[in-house]
Amino acid sequence: DQQVKQNSPSLSVQEGRISILNCDYTNSMFDYFLWYKKYPAEGPTFLISISSIKDKNEDGRFTVFLNKSAKHLSLHIVPSQPGDSAVYFCAASEGLPEQTGANNLFFGTGTRLTVIP
Amino acid sequence: NAGVTQTPKFQVLKTGQSMTLQCAQDMNHNSMYWYRQDPGMGLRLIYYSASEGTTDKGEVPNGYNVSRLNKREFSLRLESAAPSQTSVYFCASSLAGGFQETQYFGPGTRLLVL
Repeated sequence: DQQVKQNSPSLSVQEGRISILNCDYTNSMFDYFLWYKKYPAEGPTFLISISSIKDKNEDGRFTVFLNKSAKHLSLHIVPSQPGDSAVYFCAASEGLPEQTGANNLFFGTGTRLTVIP
Repeated sequence: NAGVTQTPKFQVLKTGQSMTLQCAQDMNHNSMYWYRQDPGMGLRLIYYSASEGTTDKGEVPNGYNVSRLNKREFSLRLESAAPSQTSVYFCASSLAGGFQETQYFGPGTRLLVL
C-alpha cells in the first residue's frame, strides 16, 4: 500500500508561472519530508526538505509547505523555468533510526513537470 | 569528483542467471543504499548499509543479497534472476546513517530479465 502518494502523474506550466506539485501521505509517524528531482537517464537529485516541526521551508525559487493535519505537502516553484522540466518525487521518513527504528525512505510515484517556454 | 557510480548501465539476463550490480562512491560517505524503480511506482528500498560492515533489509529484499565490500563499495547480487526483477536499480549514499539525510544517487542500472 502506497504510503506516499502523488496523484498527479503530470503537470504542464508556462515558463515564468508558478508550478505546484502535491504530495499526500497516510502515515502519521512521518516526520521528515524530502523532494527529489529526476532527469531522464540520471539518478534523482535532492531538491529541498522539511521537518515536521516546520510548516514551510524556502530555498531560492523552491518552497515546500507542510500541512500536518491534512497529511499534505506541496512544492512551489516560482518562477518556473524550462530547466525545471523533470520528474519530481516526494519522499518521507519516520525519524531517526536510533529513536524509531525507522529503516525506510518512502517515495511517491512522481509527477512529471513540463515547463513550456 | 565522480560522486556515485554504477556499473553496468544496462544488462539483459535470462531467467535463472545471476549477476552483481556494482556501486561505488568517492564522497567518503558512511551509508549506502540500493533502490529499485518500476514503472508507475516510486523508488523502493531493497537493502541499505548504515556503515561499513553492516547491512539491513529494506522494503523489498527478497531475491537479492548485498555486500558492503569496503567504505566505498556496495554491491547488489541477484542469485537467480526472475522477470519480476526487471527494473531500474539505483544506488545512493549519504554522509551518515538515517533517512533524514540527503542521499546522492548514481545514474542507475537498467536490468531486463527475459
